[in-house]
Amino acid sequence: AQSVTQPDIHITVSEGASLELRCNYSYGATPYLFWYVQSPGQGLQLLLKYFSGDTLVQGIKGFEAEFKRSQSSFNLRKPSVHWSDAAEYFCAEVPYNAGNMLTFGGGTRLMVKP
Amino acid sequence: NAGVTQTPKFRILKIGQSMTLQCTQDMNHNYMYWYRQDPGMGLKLIYYSVGAGITDKGEVPNGYNVSRSTTEDFPLRLELAAPSQTSVYFCASSPRDNTEAFFGQGTRLTVV
Repeated sequence: AQSVTQPDIHITVSEGASLELRCNYSYGATPYLFWYVQSPGQGLQLLLKYFSGDTLVQGIKGFEAEFKRSQSSFNLRKPSVHWSDAAEYFCAEVPYNAGNMLTFGGGTRLMVKP
Repeated sequence: NAGVTQTPKFRILKIGQSMTLQCTQDMNHNYMYWYRQDPGMGLKLIYYSVGAGITDKGEVPNGYNVSRSTTEDFPLRLELAAPSQTSVYFCASSPRDNTEAFFGQGTRLTVV
């Protein structure tokens, strides 16, 4: 069965520092991959997505993610974190040609220190 | 710019009561989903629909029912509420499969 793993439940970074959130997927074939952000009390907002092509994808709010097939990873990065980036981040996948079963990781809660 | 709208935002139910969580979208999306979110568990798919009149079970369907009589609406029904159904419920829609999903603001349900 497909699964998405986010190894870090909580991460704290200082404002202005760089950020990397880890995500590993289990499905063998190339999946469709997504990163969503959830601010407190809000729904989920799409940050970026990877379907095919260039393995480095750019998203909103200065985020980017890199698809690495050899490592089954799709890590989210940001060069300089802002206090407003404090939120919960979810990685998700839909396996290629497997319909619409969007599967989420457990989430990583990001805290930003002033 | 309504997108996906869920009502109510909050609800407290007693054990054994029933209720319907409403979800409507104005983007003419064929696909709609119901997820529940529990701390540390991410989102789990309860039911989904690929079009009016078609529904299917997701990962955690027990204790829930859905219907899809129109493209816009996808209500989720709890018949006999149990404490294990205390959660935050999210409705989402997408134009077709294998694309991004658009989420509502969520319904926080507590069963006591």
